[in-house]
This record gives sequence, structure tokens and C-alpha cells, in this order.
Amino acid sequence: EADIYQTPRYLVIGTGKKITLECSQTMGHDKMYWYQQDPGMELHLIHYSYGVNSTEKGDLSSESTVSRIRTEHFPLTLESARPSHTSQYLCASMRGGALSGSTHNEQFFGPGTRLTVL
Amino acid sequence: RKEVEQDPGPFNVPEGATVAFNCTYSNSASQSFFWYRQDCRKEPKLLMSVYSSGNEDGRFTAQLNRASQYISLLIRDSKLSDSATYLCVVNIWPGNKLVFGAGTILRVKS
Repeated sequence: EADIYQTPRYLVIGTGKKITLECSQTMGHDKMYWYQQDPGMELHLIHYSYGVNSTEKGDLSSESTVSRIRTEHFPLTLESARPSHTSQYLCASMRGGALSGSTHNEQFFGPGTRLTVL
Repeated sequence: RKEVEQDPGPFNVPEGATVAFNCTYSNSASQSFFWYRQDCRKEPKLLMSVYSSGNEDGRFTAQLNRASQYISLLIRDSKLSDSATYLCVVNIWPGNKLVFGAGTILRVKS
């Protein structure tokens, strides 16, 4: 069982509110990721981090921001939520390494946060 | 063109059937390959890594063809519990990101 946690699991909020989705892992992984996934659709990478004080934008443009002040913590913030932000947000972490076929590259996912913006 | 392409399905098969999924990737610098499984409304979980020589884990067999940039997953003796979306995943040099395919839906029926 992966030691990666997300809170809240479900969030229903009104338009214009600021929200922060929490993600924590206790595996000491350097690399962490945020994905966005709509029901029945594919995963889209929106942010990632190689370590403390490192953040990068992913393949899908997102109005959210992230921070990485501690290794174990990678929160995602939306300054002003809109209905278009309604989706599932999945956090993941990876131990690192680039060995071919190695489970060093396995990403462990948190259970996700289902966000609904009214 | 997407970096990882999969047949979306759905594949509807009876219990006990053998089913195969295919996946192609476009970046020849890809170096690690995986199959993940995602149940409805759940997070993806690693099913198995894919090695160059091919590998087997119980009823599941994965194959890699680097020349054709092609990955496959074979499931034998399908169970109802195998119903899920199967994600083909590729790690591209320098290995900091995984690229996920859109997934293939499998429905096993009794």
C-alpha cells in the first residue's frame, strides 16, 4: 500500500473561492506530480517537482499553482475556483532513477480529490 | 500524434477468455515501460513493468518490441475482477516523467 495521502477527498465549493488541495507522502520520494482527470478521460499532467524548491508546469496548461517547501508535501492551489476547474485531481510521487524496466520509475498515486465548483 | 497510443475499446469478453491489448509509443528515447490498471473512480496502480525480454506475472504477460515501438499486454483466463481500464505508460529519458496512454477499457462478463 502506497503512503501517499490527499485531502480533502471530496470538495464542493462556490465560484471565486480560493482552495488548496493537499498532498503528502511519507516515502521520501524526491519527485512529485499533479494530474487532472475528468471522468472516463485520460490523465493530464499539470505540475511536477523534482525536489524541494523545484516546480515545473506539466503538459496541460492549468490556472493552479504548486509549491514544494518540504520533500513530503506538494500542495496545489487555485486562487479563484471556476466551474471549469471541476475535475478529479490526482497526486503521485516517484522514487526516481532512470533504469530501464526498473520499478524505481513506479509512480504511486494518492486516492485523489474530487473537486466540484458550482 | 500522441506520444502513447492505445485502442480505447471497450473490450467486452466472457469470463475465461484471453484478451490482448496493444500500445504504440512515438519517442524512440523511451526507456522504461509499464502497464497500470485503473478501476472506475480510483487512482491508477502499477500492474507490471515491461522488460525487453518479455515478462509474465501469473495470468498476465507483457511484451516489448523496441524496433516497432510496440508494447502488449495479454490476459489469460479473464476474471470478472479484471474489469478496469489498462493504461500503457512510458518513461522517456531523462526519466523524470511518465507518459500515460488514454487507456483501454476491459469489461469481463459472466
